Amino acid sequence: QKEVEQNSGPLSVPEGAIASLNCTYSDRVSQSFFWYRQYSGKSPELIMSIYSNGDKEDGRFTAQLNKASQYVSLLIRDSQPSDSATYLCAVSVAGGFKTIFGAGTRLFVKA
Amino acid sequence: DGGITQSPKYLFRKEGQNVTLSCEQNLNHDAMYWYRQDPGQGLRLIYYSQIVNDFQKGDIAEGYSVSREKKESFPLTVTSAQKNPTAFYLCASEDRTSYEQYFGPGTRLTVT
Repeated sequence: QKEVEQNSGPLSVPEGAIASLNCTYSDRVSQSFFWYRQYSGKSPELIMSIYSNGDKEDGRFTAQLNKASQYVSLLIRDSQPSDSATYLCAVSVAGGFKTIFGAGTRLFVKA
Repeated sequence: DGGITQSPKYLFRKEGQNVTLSCEQNLNHDAMYWYRQDPGQGLRLIYYSQIVNDFQKGDIAEGYSVSREKKESFPLTVTSAQKNPTAFYLCASEDRTSYEQYFGPGTRLTVT
C-alpha cells in the first residue's frame, strides 16, 4: 500500500518565524510531489509542485525534495496568521492516475 | 475565468435516498477525480476518469457511481448502498503535463 505520512500537528509558530512541514512517502517510483493548503471548511489549494531533487522557491514558500530519503518538506518564511491552515502533502507516479494525499499537518501562526 | 465548480455547497438527505453531486470544469482537462474527505483524514479516491466515456474505480468506490458523458462534467451519485455517506466531497481535474490537480469548492453532504 502506497503511503504518504505527515505529522498531524498542530505545529505552532510565532508570526515572522519559519514554519517547517515534513512529509515522507513509501513508493520509490513516485516522481511528482505537491503541497496543498486547506483552510478550515474549504477545498485544497495547490501552492507548490516539485519534481526533482533540491529546493524550489516561490515567494515565501520553499519546497525541498530528497528522493533518496523519500522525503519532501515545505518551508514557509516570515509566517503570517493567514498561513494558519492544514497543509497536505501529495505524491504521484508520473503517468499514473493516482495521487496519494497525506492526512495533513495543521499549522497555527500566532500573532 | 477557468475553474471547477461543484454544486450544491451543502446537501442534506434522508437515509435511503440516492443523491447526485455536480462537478463541472472549463480547464479543458481530460482527467477528473472524485475524493472523499472525513475529519482529520486525508483525501480518499472514489472514482477517476481519464477521458470522456471512461472511468475507473478508486479505493472506496462501493456505494458510489459516476458518468463521464462530456469532457466538462463528471457527476457523482451517492447511492443508498453507501453505508456512511456523510462527508466532504471534492472534485478535481488534472493537468496531465504537470500532474497538478485543481479542486472545486466541495460539497458537504449530510445524511440523517
